[in-house]
Amino acid sequence: LAKTTQPISMDSYEGQEVNITCSHNNIATNDYITWYQQFPSQGPRFIIQGYKTKVTNEVASLFIPADRKSSTLSLPRVSLSDTAVYYCLVGVDNNAGNMLTFGGGTRLMVKP
Amino acid sequence: DVKVTQSSRYLVKRTGEKVFLECVQDMDHENMFWYRQDPGLGLRLIYFSYDVKMKEKGDIPEGYSVSREKKERFSLILESASTNQTSMYLCASSFQDLRPSGNTIYFGEGSWLTVV
Repeated sequence: LAKTTQPISMDSYEGQEVNITCSHNNIATNDYITWYQQFPSQGPRFIIQGYKTKVTNEVASLFIPADRKSSTLSLPRVSLSDTAVYYCLVGVDNNAGNMLTFGGGTRLMVKP
Repeated sequence: DVKVTQSSRYLVKRTGEKVFLECVQDMDHENMFWYRQDPGLGLRLIYFSYDVKMKEKGDIPEGYSVSREKKERFSLILESASTNQTSMYLCASSFQDLRPSGNTIYFGEGSWLTVV
């Protein structure tokens, strides 16, 4: 399963756009890239998923370059409530031997 | 809405006690997971099950065992609790195929275990 590397933490201010990049140099052909958000004392929750180019939903955008060795989660106009830990996960299926292991995540702090 | 329910939100146990953490999911997911989360260490996988009675060790299985007798239920067992197992434990479930069609990993709310 592809190992991921993210910045440990990031600071931003309300109203700014935040971009969090995840490196996954050994991503496999069939792997998808998924981002999760975790608030304190809660389990992580799904934000967005993509395979290549760009994906956008009501919460975020996900940019994936052609080589797919990295991906960037973009949060437009963050608010204080976006303060959370963001995890990048790369994988496709969970047959025996393919387990989902999260990296350390990026702790985003949004300031007023 | 998918629901992953963990039986206890907060527990306090004594060193040496046997501890059961129960997890139930209602989406007929094949896969279930137990993670442990400690400050600054992210999510660490303890055990994983991809089918009834099947299990695989994750990154930190020592001191833990699991049981999956029914598809919807996955139990984490601490045979003899120790203080270094004080942590938040997260259960999760998913379909085997994570290709986009709404498939993702769903987490419970977490169980805070304190071992004294």
